[in-house]
Amino acid sequence: GEDVEQSLFLSVREGDSSVINCTYTDSSSTYLYWYKQEPGAGLQLLTYIFSNMDMKQDQRLTVLLNKKDKHLSLRIADTQTGDSAIYFCAEKDDKIIFGKGTRLHILP
Amino acid sequence: GAVVSQHPSWVICKSGTSVKIECRSLDFQATTMFWYRQFPKQSLMLMATSNEGSKATYEQGVEKDKFLINHASLTLSTLTVTSAHPEDSSFYICSARDLRGNSPLHFGNGTRLTVT
Repeated sequence: GEDVEQSLFLSVREGDSSVINCTYTDSSSTYLYWYKQEPGAGLQLLTYIFSNMDMKQDQRLTVLLNKKDKHLSLRIADTQTGDSAIYFCAEKDDKIIFGKGTRLHILP
Repeated sequence: GAVVSQHPSWVICKSGTSVKIECRSLDFQATTMFWYRQFPKQSLMLMATSNEGSKATYEQGVEKDKFLINHASLTLSTLTVTSAHPEDSSFYICSARDLRGNSPLHFGNGTRLTVT
């Protein structure tokens, strides 16, 4: 089965909060990552969380980590049109394993 | 922040020719770089791990003679798609990790290869 799972689509109204969820399998990962990919572009490291943390906040981004349930989430506050992209959750330290990506669509 | 430069950003070639893609870490050294392939609307598939000064490690199902990897220095890895065919058309992305450790992977902007 998949090592990293995330929902494929999310639609959010501009100004609302977006929450993208992810489940992973490797509890030994030192870091867990969120990458953003805009159309035709490479991956941009959005944020990451050290595995011994529960939460990390960086401006509009909040990452929550539930190690017991192996659940990772990314919350984007005050979602803007520029946030429209595919968001990848990733785990493992060396050969990073990516989820299939969540396509975030912003509604006007 | 850490920057990984990938070149070219796009290339069109004819079937049977070879194409070389470069991946450079601009402000850090990387003993390990990774090459990924991404099909439209799909996730990234790890193709191989490029190791400076030694042979690359290929993932299952990836032909090493087809996708030649050379990691000649601590800042440069190249991927050569040999005898390209239309089915090799894809988006190829490289990534690198600072050898000082405890840092996440940084990605290049990708190379879109179209084989006609």
